[in-house]
Amino acid sequence: DVKVTQSSRYLVKRTGEKVFLECVQDMDHENMFWYRQDPGLGLRLIYFSYDVKMKEKGDIPEGYSVSREKKERFSLILESASTNQTSMYLCASSSTGTGARYTEAFFGQGTRLTVV
Amino acid sequence: KNEVEQSPQNLTAQEGEFITINCSYSVGISALHWLQQHPGGGIVSLFMLSSGKKKHGRLIATINIQEKHSSLHITASHPRDSAVYICAARGDMRFGAGTRLTVKP
Repeated sequence: DVKVTQSSRYLVKRTGEKVFLECVQDMDHENMFWYRQDPGLGLRLIYFSYDVKMKEKGDIPEGYSVSREKKERFSLILESASTNQTSMYLCASSSTGTGARYTEAFFGQGTRLTVV
Repeated sequence: KNEVEQSPQNLTAQEGEFITINCSYSVGISALHWLQQHPGGGIVSLFMLSSGKKKHGRLIATINIQEKHSSLHITASHPRDSAVYICAARGDMRFGAGTRLTVKP
């Protein structure tokens, strides 16, 4: 059973704290993604990675950084948490596929982060 | 401006109705992804398609790459189909805002 696992389902942190959200996939996928989801705004891409040690900014990277030291793990870091980063965070992974063989993406269960 | 646009944003239907959700995109893509998110947050993949049509049970997805448009159809809708349906452009996985579907018994 394929799996994308996020380290926490619920998290409460204080303003100014450094926050780590971890995502691990066991499918040997090349691509991993971090999103945040807010009411009325849908899923917005924060960062993504196509390979180990590679990262690309998404639509809303400000206030976030990422780390991909191993293929299976993609970490999202909030350098100094702020209340406007209270949100649901979702991790996803997918394989690049070859030729016309496109593969679907798999999502973690989400981490609901509250910054107080 | 979002590169992936969905319509409608909200949709309420009676059980048994045929439902269509539309997705238009402005970027050049190689494939498009349809996802379903139930209350509670879990997201599951429904379809990944690059041309033509795919069918799974009561769900049908079509795509026209030239017109940059895809549709998700649900036949004989059921209250358990109530969810948010999201389309995403394959590649860097940018998403539409989602369509919230409510099917009433």
